[in-house]
Amino acid sequence: LAKTTQPVSMDSYEGQEVNITCSHNNIATNDYITWYQQFPSQGPRFIIQGYKTKVTNEVASLFIPADRKSSTLSLPRVSLSDTAVYYCLVGDDGSGNTGKLIFGQGTTLQVKP
Amino acid sequence: ETGVTQTPRHLVMGMTNKKSLKCEQHLGHNAMYWYKQSAKKPLELMFVYNFKEQTENNSVPSRFSPECPNSSHLFLHLHTLQPEDSALYLCASSQDYRLTGASYEQYFGPGTRLTVT
Repeated sequence: LAKTTQPVSMDSYEGQEVNITCSHNNIATNDYITWYQQFPSQGPRFIIQGYKTKVTNEVASLFIPADRKSSTLSLPRVSLSDTAVYYCLVGDDGSGNTGKLIFGQGTTLQVKP
Repeated sequence: ETGVTQTPRHLVMGMTNKKSLKCEQHLGHNAMYWYKQSAKKPLELMFVYNFKEQTENNSVPSRFSPECPNSSHLFLHLHTLQPEDSALYLCASSQDYRLTGASYEQYFGPGTRLTVT
């Protein structure tokens, strides 16, 4: 079972770049890495997904080293509205099914003025 | 606005009541999901429907009964709940339900905050 480990919480200031690293030592060959964001009392929102190297969209970048045992979500120039919980999800639940999202505790990012 | 709506947004019910949660997606998706999020706990997947057929039931107690009459609507029927069932219940949808490879992006609704008294 590919499990993830990420920091429980992080603090940052407005305008800074924030990097949240996720460890997934047991990632399987066909597993993808996906990040979701959740604001209080709302459902999670998809941020980005990748398999290897670097993926970038209008919201964030995802860096995945060659061994794929970790990944880093990079949020450029955060604002107060980026304060949220960020979840790193990897592949499947061990049964080969990647349609199921297995959420961990996530990283609570607090952006300060 | 994610294209997934849930009603009601808040619900208080006694342990002997019967109530239903409703979810509707306007995205033309084929897969729909129910999740439970308790305080200070990760989201737990409860049920998955793909093309109206239930494909996943994560050992959910029978007091929770899902219904998916079509690909746009999903219900969660509740009866004889326990106080520990109080939580935020989230509905989500995705284009499809893929068993291998990259997972489809899931679009979540705002949730129903359920309190069982």
